[in-house]
Amino acid sequence: QQQVKQSPQSLIVQKGGISIINCAYENTAFDYFPWYQQFPGKGPALLIAIRPDVSEKKEGRFTISFNKSAKQFSLHIMDSQPGDSATYFCAASYHAGNTPLVFGKGTRLSVIA
Amino acid sequence: GAGVSQTPSNKVTEKGKYVELRCDPISGHTALYWYRQSLGQGPEFLIYFQGTGAADDSGLPNDRFFAVRPEGSVSTLKIQRTERGDSAVYLCASSRTGGLQETQYFGPGTRLLVL
Repeated sequence: QQQVKQSPQSLIVQKGGISIINCAYENTAFDYFPWYQQFPGKGPALLIAIRPDVSEKKEGRFTISFNKSAKQFSLHIMDSQPGDSATYFCAASYHAGNTPLVFGKGTRLSVIA
Repeated sequence: GAGVSQTPSNKVTEKGKYVELRCDPISGHTALYWYRQSLGQGPEFLIYFQGTGAADDSGLPNDRFFAVRPEGSVSTLKIQRTERGDSAVYLCASSRTGGLQETQYFGPGTRLLVL
């Protein structure tokens, strides 16, 4: 049972374009939704996170859009740069805080000049 | 300060052997997590420590896997009678207290290859 479904599996975007990665979840108990960025040979690093009481959160070029009724959330990367090329994971966890993160399968983003 | 460190960075072993993977969390972090990441997949939870005790070990796949954190800092993941299917990157993460929506900081992982 995959609790967090992520798409697309891979994405190629032109430099300066918008990268969009989507995730859907099933468990309505989830109430914390982070996105992690992972470069080859490195561990995942937190990029941005959102709670379901807001519909959007923006940090620099990165924006999370959240649709509670549809149980979906997405990451938008504006003005994508070659340095953004990495694998992106959406994740979710419960309100208890000490519960583990449930990750999507990841999206490999390539930003080409 | 220093981030989460893991040793060794790579480990090659033969089927049936015993391996130990070490994690040094960020100093002062009481919560420590182990995840396993197979090729092309997202990390999957194995076990969570709060201090010295395993608060949740529901992700351990079977009794060949065991982890300890005797002094509430360094943790060791132990795998007995390794199988080829155990080959993966083993990630460790820590957070300050394990509290609500705290950031989990990941180490670079140990790449385990079982031949």
